Amino acid sequence: AQSVSQHNHHVILSEAASLELGCNYSYGGTVNLFWYVQYPGQHLQLLLKYFSGDPLVKGIKGFEAEFIKSKFSFNLRKPSVQWSDTAEYFCAVNAKSDNQGGKLIFGQGTELSVKP
Amino acid sequence: DSGVTQTPKHLITATGQRVTLRCSPRSGDLSVYWYQQSLDQGLQFLIQYYNGEERAKGNILERFSAQQFPDLHSELNLSSLELGDSALYFCASNPGFPPYEQYFGPGTRLTVT
Repeated sequence: AQSVSQHNHHVILSEAASLELGCNYSYGGTVNLFWYVQYPGQHLQLLLKYFSGDPLVKGIKGFEAEFIKSKFSFNLRKPSVQWSDTAEYFCAVNAKSDNQGGKLIFGQGTELSVKP
Repeated sequence: DSGVTQTPKHLITATGQRVTLRCSPRSGDLSVYWYQQSLDQGLQFLIQYYNGEERAKGNILERFSAQQFPDLHSELNLSSLELGDSALYFCASNPGFPPYEQYFGPGTRLTVT
C-alpha cells in the first residue's frame, strides 16, 4: 500500500536551533517528493520538491531536503529556525507514472513550535 | 497567493443537509484535485478532474460527488451530512501533466452541527 510516514508529530525548538523532520515513504514505483507547509489558519504552500537529479534540493525560506533512495526517505532540514517557522509541515509523494493523475499521498504532518 | 480560489471560506450547516463547495483553478490549469483534512484522518485525496472528466478517485464517500465545468471551475457536493464530515476541504490545481506539482487553495472549513 502507498503510504508516507512522518516520524515526529510535534517538535518544539528554540530560535536558532537546527531542524530535521523525518519522512519515509512506501510506494510501488518511482515517485516525486514534496514538502508543504501550513501556517496557522492558512492553506498549504509548497516548500520544496524533488523530481530528479541532485538529491539535495533547496526550497524557499532556507529549507532544504535530501532524497535518499535506498532509505526511501526525504528529510527536511533547516540550519537555524525562526519563530516565524512555527507551522505544520507535510511530506507528500505522487507517482511519476501518468496513470494515477498525480494524486498526492500525504504524511500525518509534523507540528513545529519555535520558541522565541 | 497560489491563484487557486475557493468559496465559501466557512460553512456551518446541520446534519442531513447538502452543501456545495466551489473551486476555481489557477489560470491555465486543467486539473483540479479535492482533498479533505480532518484531525483523525489527516489530509486525504478525494477526487481529481482533468478538463471536465473524472481522472482519479480516492477515499470519497458515495454521499459526495464532484464535477468540473467547461470553464474549468469545480464543485464538490456533500449530501446527507454527518458530524464526521466536519473538516477542511482543499482544492488544488495544476496543468494536468507530470510531475503534477499542485497548488492549493485557501480551503473551505465545513462545520456540521
